[in-house]
Amino acid sequence: AQSVSQHNHHVILSEAASLELGCNYSYGGTVNLFWYVQYPGQHLQLLLKYFSGDPLVKGIKGFEAEFIKSKFSFNLRKPSVQWSDTAEYFCAVMTSYDKVIFGPGTSLSVIP
Amino acid sequence: DSGVTQTPKHLITATGQRVTLRCSPRSGDLSVYWYQQSLDQGLQFLIHYYNGEERAKGNILERFSAQQFPDLHSELNLSSLELGDSALYFCASSVADRGDAGELFFGEGSRLTVL
Repeated sequence: AQSVSQHNHHVILSEAASLELGCNYSYGGTVNLFWYVQYPGQHLQLLLKYFSGDPLVKGIKGFEAEFIKSKFSFNLRKPSVQWSDTAEYFCAVMTSYDKVIFGPGTSLSVIP
Repeated sequence: DSGVTQTPKHLITATGQRVTLRCSPRSGDLSVYWYQQSLDQGLQFLIHYYNGEERAKGNILERFSAQQFPDLHSELNLSSLELGDSALYFCASSVADRGDAGELFFGEGSRLTVL
């Protein structure tokens, strides 16, 4: 069965620190990859997506992610986090069976 | 505002009861996805409809059913409710069934509490 795992359940960083959130998926076919963010009290919204082409994709608010096919990974990065980045981050995979499977989420807390 | 509307926002009911959650997708979106989010399970994919037809099923219990109507709104029916069904139920919509669009737009969720 398809699944998505995220390396960290909860990450705590100081402002200006660099961020990397790990995501791995298990599915052998073609996938579309996403990172979604859920700010406190808000709905999930898209940060960035990968469908094809350049494996390094840039999203909103300075986030980027790199797709490494051989490692089935799609890690999210940001060089310098801000307090406003405090949120829950979800990696997601869309498979050819029209399913969008989400990882368990990583809670990021940024300390001013 | 994502453009996806879910009602009710909060619902409290008793075990054994039946509830219906409603989702209105963004204007023009043909796909509706339902997810269950609980503290210990994360976001669990339940079911996907595209233009009225079921496209994919996830970990949806037999006590749960869904449908998408001709006007594209969708309903998730939960019956014989158990305490463990308490969760946040999200609906998301997308313009396509898959492919280059792909981005899901989420509603704010319906929080179900079963007592």
